[in-house]
Amino acid sequence: EIVLTQSPTTMTASPGEKVTITCRASSSVSYMHWYQQKPGASPKPWIYETSKLASGVPDRFSGSGSGTSYSLTINNMEAEDAATYYCQQWNYPYTFGAGTKLELK
Amino acid sequence: EVQLQQSGPEVGRPGSSVKISCKASGYTFTDYVMNWVKQSPGQGLEWIGWIDPEYGSTDYAEKFKKKATLTADTSSNTAYIQLSSLTSEDTATYFCARIGGEPYFDYWGQGVMVTVSS
Repeated sequence: EIVLTQSPTTMTASPGEKVTITCRASSSVSYMHWYQQKPGASPKPWIYETSKLASGVPDRFSGSGSGTSYSLTINNMEAEDAATYYCQQWNYPYTFGAGTKLELK
Repeated sequence: EVQLQQSGPEVGRPGSSVKISCKASGYTFTDYVMNWVKQSPGQGLEWIGWIDPEYGSTDYAEKFKKKATLTADTSSNTAYIQLSSLTSEDTATYFCARIGGEPYFDYWGQGVMVTVSS
């Protein structure tokens, strides 16, 4: 089973700030997916296949990476971006990272 | 519009079973695999397993092989998960999530809270 380690666990960012969340895999994976979850809601697909934005996701979000190291970046943090972000890999069995809670400063 | 509508919250006694549902609409139910994901209180996400509604074939994460049973009813476009021999470790929210045309979970149900309590 591939273990995904996200960092940081929690972070705060001010409006307009650049945010980067990383996800490291215990073994190489072909690509990484990212989900956004807000309190009391189900996760939403956010970035899939490493760098493709899901429908409705603002283009201030981007994803990159390869092998064992992946990242989600927000250019110009906005209040609505405050949420928990999970990475997820598609090798079998599917696994998720523990999440990064992003708060607004 | 694709929707996955899950059943309401459940309370189960330790040692008992619960069965929760996920009714799909807005697409052909048998065209896509349905998955289940567990989220313990304040915790992250764990993949439980999947079912192919067309064939009834299933697969489970090792940890859930003796805990969860996935089924599907194509006449009502509904997927089910039954959790057996409940313990406090099973207290969590359970989501159904579809794998669509691309290999990721593209639609999620709203989640069902299962509470194990005597």
